[in-house]
Amino acid sequence: DADVTQTPRNRITKTGKRIMLECSQTKGHDRMYWYRQDPGLGLRLIYYSFDVKDINKGEISDGYSVSRQAQAKFSLSLESAIPNQTALYFCATSDHSGGAREQFFGPGTRLTVL
Amino acid sequence: AQSVTQLGSHVSVSEGALVLLRCNYSSSVPPYLFWYVQYPNQGLQLLLKYTTGATLVKGINGFEAEFKKSETSFHLTKPSAHMSDAAEYFCAVSDDFGNEKLTFGTGTRLTIIP
Repeated sequence: DADVTQTPRNRITKTGKRIMLECSQTKGHDRMYWYRQDPGLGLRLIYYSFDVKDINKGEISDGYSVSRQAQAKFSLSLESAIPNQTALYFCATSDHSGGAREQFFGPGTRLTVL
Repeated sequence: AQSVTQLGSHVSVSEGALVLLRCNYSSSVPPYLFWYVQYPNQGLQLLLKYTTGATLVKGINGFEAEFKKSETSFHLTKPSAHMSDAAEYFCAVSDDFGNEKLTFGTGTRLTIIP
């Protein structure tokens, strides 16, 4: 079974709709991250959470919100989707105690906003 | 602020030839450096990482990278390319301030010519 799962894997929605992307992990990691990937731009950090009560904005948080429901679950919401939010979204986790800072990625959610 | 530059958004090599993917970083403190690989329709997978110690780092699938502080570089190499190496490769840097965020380069798409 995958350690980091994302649902849905693909989603098509319309402008103005609210949408939630979900991430779950069984790695027992305390830290979780949301990125978006656009061609030619690499991965950009949207939000990150170091524990359930610690949520921080990344470099491109405008238009997004997050919820850390439990250590294992971290959701990303688009309150009113717009076409330029069409992208591939990745959730990632890391272990603070590990010291090496490597992050483990989910399979991604491909979101299309029409 | 830290940053990563990957020279060449697309690289093509012949099967059996040397693979060289370039990565330069900027960081005000000794960095932690990573290479990730993304196969089509998949998430990112860690290839190798440099934290401290030996500057030549070996990773999975025959890849290795050398940390050169004087050149602020962390280039990825593989002596002999295989068709299965076709993927997108991302270099990333993390600083040592304890926030453990990764900053990614824009990626290099590697194509293997039969």
